[in-house]
Amino acid sequence: DAMVIQNPRYQVTQFGKPVTLSCSQTLNHNVMYWYQQKSSQAPKLLFHYYDKDFNNEADTPDNFQSRRPNTSFCFLDIRSPGLGDAAMYLCATSRAGTGINYGYTFGSGTRLTVV
Amino acid sequence: QKEVEQNSGPLSVPEGAIASLNCTYSDRVSQSFFWYRQYSGKSPELIMSIYSNGDKEDGRFTAQLNKASQYVSLLIRDSQPSDSATYLCAVNKGDYGGSQGNLIFGKGTKLSVKP
Repeated sequence: DAMVIQNPRYQVTQFGKPVTLSCSQTLNHNVMYWYQQKSSQAPKLLFHYYDKDFNNEADTPDNFQSRRPNTSFCFLDIRSPGLGDAAMYLCATSRAGTGINYGYTFGSGTRLTVV
Repeated sequence: QKEVEQNSGPLSVPEGAIASLNCTYSDRVSQSFFWYRQYSGKSPELIMSIYSNGDKEDGRFTAQLNKASQYVSLLIRDSQPSDSATYLCAVNKGDYGGSQGNLIFGKGTKLSVKP
């Protein structure tokens, strides 16, 4: 089945130790997104790739970076995680450029804990 | 004013009743509207999309859109305990550049269906 896969499902990292979260998709969607969701809050867009074009939200901290080496894969790098970065990180994909917004397909999410 | 606003609830309804969830948005040029269901600890799942004023029905779900009032709602008929979840309203970011597909999410309304 076509899908969006995030790894790992749960990640525990030490304060200040770099961590990478991964996302892959078999939908061949041209747009990939990273959202951060804290408990009882709305998912917050960090950045997205439209094909190879990287788009950073104005309020995304510099501590967060992303890479998209090919259509199928996208990575979220947190260079120096702080306690405030503990959250669910959601990868999503969409098919853009058709004139219709079909919404997102989400991966299962990665729950990040910082100790 | 927040971009997408929802009553956080909890909204409690008895099994078999109609659950009514509401959402308002601030960007007048938004064109696409979505309802996602999110179970605790899981990622959001798309359940309805709506693009035109009026009602759209899919099984037990009906989405209603009123662009003049900047209001979108979700009705769940014959509510079941398995419908207990947080329902997120999402609206596309209304500019027509590269971010046309980006969704802005509300905080969600927590629905509890009592047997």
